[in-house]
Amino acid sequence: GQNIDQPTEMTATEGAIVQINCTYQTSGFNGLFWYQQHAGEAPTFLSYNVLDGLEEKGRFSSFLSRSKGYSYLLLKELQMKDSASYLCAVRLNYNAGNNRKLIWGLGTSLAVNP
Amino acid sequence: EPEVTQTPSHQVTQMGQEVILRCVPISNHLYFYWYRQILGQKVEFLVSFYNNEISEKSEIFDDQFSVERPDGSNFTLKIRSTKLEDSAMYFCASSDPQEGYGYTFGSGTRLTVV
Repeated sequence: GQNIDQPTEMTATEGAIVQINCTYQTSGFNGLFWYQQHAGEAPTFLSYNVLDGLEEKGRFSSFLSRSKGYSYLLLKELQMKDSASYLCAVRLNYNAGNNRKLIWGLGTSLAVNP
Repeated sequence: EPEVTQTPSHQVTQMGQEVILRCVPISNHLYFYWYRQILGQKVEFLVSFYNNEISEKSEIFDDQFSVERPDGSNFTLKIRSTKLEDSAMYFCASSDPQEGYGYTFGSGTRLTVV
């Protein structure tokens, strides 16, 4: 089966740094994605890792270790608007039909307090 | 910035009725998907579509569901006889294989079956 684990909830203070972890056990791997989702809205793409290491994109960074089945999303200089759910998703290997479906974690609900 | 457009944003239907959810993917994308998210639960893959045919479907996507790309722009999800448990947010997404990145999601259709 496919399994993606994230903490359910986290709380942080405006201006601080927060790290959201994700571990996965999947039958294949062709990239890990982080999405932000505000309540009642669509997921919005944040970052993508397919090779080990850190990808930095402004206030957001994402790290991947394929051997450990582990990723984290780092958010710096937190703002109130960063209060949202953060979803970790794994893309499995392409199958014969060129499928690129994503398997999702439940998401981490982040509350940023003043 | 190109968008995936979904209509309607909300749909209330009686159990047993047919519904059609509509999506206009990004014009140069080749891969199309439907995902759903029951309130408080994970985003779940339903179906992927490529080259005018289904490339993969999940066990959720039973005979009650069908997808179509009736013309060059629309991508529809039909639920033939809705059940209470079909109440969820339905997201359409599209992707371009050249991007190697994530997917662009539509803003979703909230389906409520009563």
